[in-house]
Amino acid sequence: KAGVTQTPRYLIKTRGQQVTLSCSPISGHRSVSWYQQTPGQGLQFLFEYFSETQRNKGNFPGRFSGRQFSNSRSEMNVSTLELGDSALYLCASSLGPVAKNIQYFGAGTRLSVL
Amino acid sequence: AQTVTQSQPEMSVQEAETVTLSCTYDTSESDYYLFWYKQPPSRQMILVIRQEAYKQQNATENRFSVNFQKAAKSFSLKISDSQLGDAAMYFCAYRSLGTGNQFYFGTGTSLTVIP
Repeated sequence: KAGVTQTPRYLIKTRGQQVTLSCSPISGHRSVSWYQQTPGQGLQFLFEYFSETQRNKGNFPGRFSGRQFSNSRSEMNVSTLELGDSALYLCASSLGPVAKNIQYFGAGTRLSVL
Repeated sequence: AQTVTQSQPEMSVQEAETVTLSCTYDTSESDYYLFWYKQPPSRQMILVIRQEAYKQQNATENRFSVNFQKAAKSFSLKISDSQLGDAAMYFCAYRSLGTGNQFYFGTGTSLTVIP
């Protein structure tokens, strides 16, 4: 079974631009979560989607948004990029939002904002 | 909000030796899950071990075991017979059973395995 796939692996943008990251979950998984990883803040939860609905959202500004499609694939969008948005963005999928379900992570998208 | 603390930013261990990584957490909940994830240079987070808070028995997975002290809110990871492939960043994580059951991660411990 294929793992969680995130595209692209690397991205370079300039301040003020917007960016869209993509995540394809493991087949059969309906829950997708997004995390931002930076050296200073560690891993921080962005949001979680299940059955095309946002279930939970972390403490990030409205510039960060996401959505989930009927095939469970998810996209994350960041508008008006700032230098501080430079980070590794990780996506994780699980069977569902129940806590006992194991989250499987993708290799991430490295975003650099210049 | 729940917090997870890993007080050891870096650790090193000789190949074939045993190392223990520390993790403490703060919560007012009684039921939750605790996890250790490994992130090698390839960046992909891999689940190492999972512990359910209501289970008294410490979880084990081959060379990996935990020491779960619920009253002390401590969840350490022991790696026995360390191998070169164990070198990675290790993250401790907490997840509650309630609604909004997001993950809370510690800041990580970078483990070096010395040949």
